Amino acid sequence: DQQVKQNSPSLSVQEGRISILNCDYTNSMFDYFLWYKKYPAEGPTFLISISSIKDKNEDGRFTVFLNKSAKHLSLHIVPSQPGDSAVYFCAASPTTRDDKIIFGKGTRLHILP
Amino acid sequence: DVKVTQSSRYLVKRTGEKVFLECVQDMDHENMFWYRQDPGLGLRLIYFSYDVKMKEKGDIPEGYSVSREKKERFSLILESASTNQTSMYLCASSLPAAGTYEQYFGPGTRLTVT
Repeated sequence: DQQVKQNSPSLSVQEGRISILNCDYTNSMFDYFLWYKKYPAEGPTFLISISSIKDKNEDGRFTVFLNKSAKHLSLHIVPSQPGDSAVYFCAASPTTRDDKIIFGKGTRLHILP
Repeated sequence: DVKVTQSSRYLVKRTGEKVFLECVQDMDHENMFWYRQDPGLGLRLIYFSYDVKMKEKGDIPEGYSVSREKKERFSLILESASTNQTSMYLCASSLPAAGTYEQYFGPGTRLTVT
């Protein structure tokens, strides 16, 4: 059973517009959420995170919103740039010593010229 | 900068061979992880280790084993490679004391089993 769900396998957005990637989770014990970005033939790289005690975290063009009551988070990228074309993974972690995190299946973002 | 390196970027092995994938991190991280990534399935955890000589099964440990003899090195072993183990293998490490759950990934090894 998937605990972290990314229901859109792919998304296409015009360059300069806002990209919104969505993620739902089922486990109310998750207390930390992360977004990773992955280019082909490379390992994922950390993008941005949010603690469950917050509802928004911003870093430059990237903002993550958390709606705990809906068990939903989203990543906003504005403005979208060609280099943003990649696969984005949503991930979540319960409070455990081992730093284990659970990944969604990913959403492929295409930025169109 | 945290650096996680993996011994090979591409590997081709035959069915039944024993395969070793090596991962080394240089930031004195306590936790290390092995994942595989397959299209449409995301990243799935195979094994992880939170200390030297310690290991825990992840979600898909069948057909794999691991070894962690030194803190900086975490090896993934395919005892008898099979075609369904053709995949991208990713190693990661993290520092629990950071409290951010952030994992640092290596570049990946694309393994093909023929």
